[in-house]
Amino acid sequence: DTAVSQTPKYLVTQMGNDKSIKCEQNLGHDTMYWYKQDSKKFLKIMFSYNNKELIINETVPNRFSPKSPDKAHLNLHINSLELGDSAVYFCASRRGGGTDTQYFGPGTRLTVL
Amino acid sequence: AQKVTQAQTEISVVEKEDVTLDCVYETRDTTYYLFWYKQPPSGELVFLIRRNSFDEQNEISGRYSWNFQKSTSSFNFTITASQVVDSAVYFCALSEYPQGGSEKLVFGKGTKLTVNP
Repeated sequence: DTAVSQTPKYLVTQMGNDKSIKCEQNLGHDTMYWYKQDSKKFLKIMFSYNNKELIINETVPNRFSPKSPDKAHLNLHINSLELGDSAVYFCASRRGGGTDTQYFGPGTRLTVL
Repeated sequence: AQKVTQAQTEISVVEKEDVTLDCVYETRDTTYYLFWYKQPPSGELVFLIRRNSFDEQNEISGRYSWNFQKSTSSFNFTITASQVVDSAVYFCALSEYPQGGSEKLVFGKGTKLTVNP
């Protein structure tokens, strides 16, 4: 009964490829996020969705396209992968309608060769 | 813009020592939330505590305690009688509310704590 799950956990791919990371939460939360953690462990928000609607887009290159088919899922598709995209990507969710705690998924380690 | 500073990049202690992780924040909001997350070597991010800006009471949870002082914009985290399992990177975070957007977290750069046996 994992609260926030991500697949895959590890992703190794070549430069130029297109890949997707999936996120699902079973907490009944309204808001979902993608964060990127770089090699120095710095965590930065990328996107936020509330009830399938894009709310935050933090000047992320348009090679990154989030998609939320329903409020329990938020996927991240990355086109034309670059070496600098190598990072750990975390999905998070929280209950909407005010402030609440964000709960994070286990992360997906993406390595671009 | 919001900012979170964790000046201690790495701390190394011996088991059973007490250790304090510092967090200083900047915000123009009057209402905000502060958080601590733990990232053990396995990589997941574990929520530890959330504190709102109107609640300056210190909190204790087992060996963990948090000291929130608005006057110095600090939200420090103390581990008493540290254990090897406390070894992790600890992140302090501040909630930010962009206009028209939903809450997002601004993280500090993290403090890597190593507890040696």
